[in-house]
Amino acid sequence: NAGVTQTPKFRILKIGQSMTLQCTQDMNHNYMYWYRQDPGMGLKLIYYSVGAGITDKGEVPNGYNVSRSTTEDFPLRLELAAPSQTSVYFCASSYRDRGTYGYTFGSGTRLTVV
Amino acid sequence: AQTVTQSQPEMSVQEAETVTLSCTYDTSESDYYLFWYKQPPSRQMILVIRQEAYKQQNATENRFSVNFQKAAKSFSLKISDSQLGDAAMYFCASLIGGISSGSARQLTFGSGTQLTVLP
Repeated sequence: NAGVTQTPKFRILKIGQSMTLQCTQDMNHNYMYWYRQDPGMGLKLIYYSVGAGITDKGEVPNGYNVSRSTTEDFPLRLELAAPSQTSVYFCASSYRDRGTYGYTFGSGTRLTVV
Repeated sequence: AQTVTQSQPEMSVQEAETVTLSCTYDTSESDYYLFWYKQPPSRQMILVIRQEAYKQQNATENRFSVNFQKAAKSFSLKISDSQLGDAAMYFCASLIGGISSGSARQLTFGSGTQLTVLP
């Protein structure tokens, strides 16, 4: 059982480039989330999804887009990368309990925009 | 917006001793859950312990326990018999929202406390 898998683990982007961070889970979880963690800070919610075809903005959505075409996958798209998007990105998921037993997190993607 | 505050950016403890990490939160809801997550250098977020707000009894998980003071909105983590493997960043988090709403509730995190364990 792989849990939540994120790819890539590391990436360097140039300003203005675009990329997609991949996230997939094999636990049949309805809810999926994207967080970013800036150095020395806690995690902030970017986007979340309550099921296939349904997404919504979190606290810091600007500069990002998401889609949820299947239960398993929840990719995060960065368009026109900026230095302010340098961060560690975490994908997470939770079951129908909506996270009352906590989330399962991926191992993160460290993104540097130069 | 919900807020979670961890006022101790760094803490240190001697191996085998006890340490307490502080956390306060803000909510007017009655239905919520509180968590402590551990983040070692590997970056993996590991759930340490959870507390249901409607339960008065403090949660415990082996060497980890919480002191949940609902009226004061305080949720501290006590680590007993500290081990070198406990060294990590610790995050307090809240999950707040009416269970009848049917909407997704999101974890809100504090800024973290970096715990160092001294041999």
